Amino acid sequence: ETGVTQTPRHLVMGMTNKKSLKCEQHLGHNAMYWYKQSAKKPLELMFVYNFKEQTENNSVPSRFSPECPNSSHLFLHLHTLQPEDSALYLCASSQETAGVNEQFFGPGTRLTVL
Amino acid sequence: GQNIDQPTEMTATEGAIVQINCTYQTSGFNGLFWYQQHAGEAPTFLSYNVLDGLEEKGRFSSFLSRSKGYSYLLLKELQMKDSASYLCAVSLNNAGNMLTFGGGTRLMVKP
Repeated sequence: ETGVTQTPRHLVMGMTNKKSLKCEQHLGHNAMYWYKQSAKKPLELMFVYNFKEQTENNSVPSRFSPECPNSSHLFLHLHTLQPEDSALYLCASSQETAGVNEQFFGPGTRLTVL
Repeated sequence: GQNIDQPTEMTATEGAIVQINCTYQTSGFNGLFWYQQHAGEAPTFLSYNVLDGLEEKGRFSSFLSRSKGYSYLLLKELQMKDSASYLCAVSLNNAGNMLTFGGGTRLMVKP
């Protein structure tokens, strides 16, 4: 595997379900991110992890719970979601150094909440 | 709040040149990124500007004016495969990793 991978690629869940999204980066990076991309809205940063520590939580509702067990893996735990949470969830990673910190994105998980 | 504006859609002809503009008003600035996103795919990095001026990379160039809060992406010798959304993003913090994105510009290249 190369780059940033995400599983599952598609997920349909009811509002009472609990599910988790998984992201893995094979680039040796030390920072990972979750973004939400909804139709007709800008890409929104949700969470940032640097060296496994959460450094940003962009006012995300508590029904989204991130977990970063190590610098290569990132999870997004979902529970009691709402239909408006249906979106493409993108994971990204970068190597935090002075200068350009290009973020590499995974293919995303298309989430539908019924 | 943060405000990043781009045109929603643009159409251009194969072989032509197109300029996609981005204006921003943000609480911080540590550089501006352009990403390309084909439908159903992940965004991919195109360019980064932190100083005023033009950065050229093959058929793509990006320009920044910090005093005007303005950037553009210039695509030359357009190809059909350039049909995609182009996302402008501003890095807000000193760490450079907190990106705020514009809504994206969907470019359609016609024969």
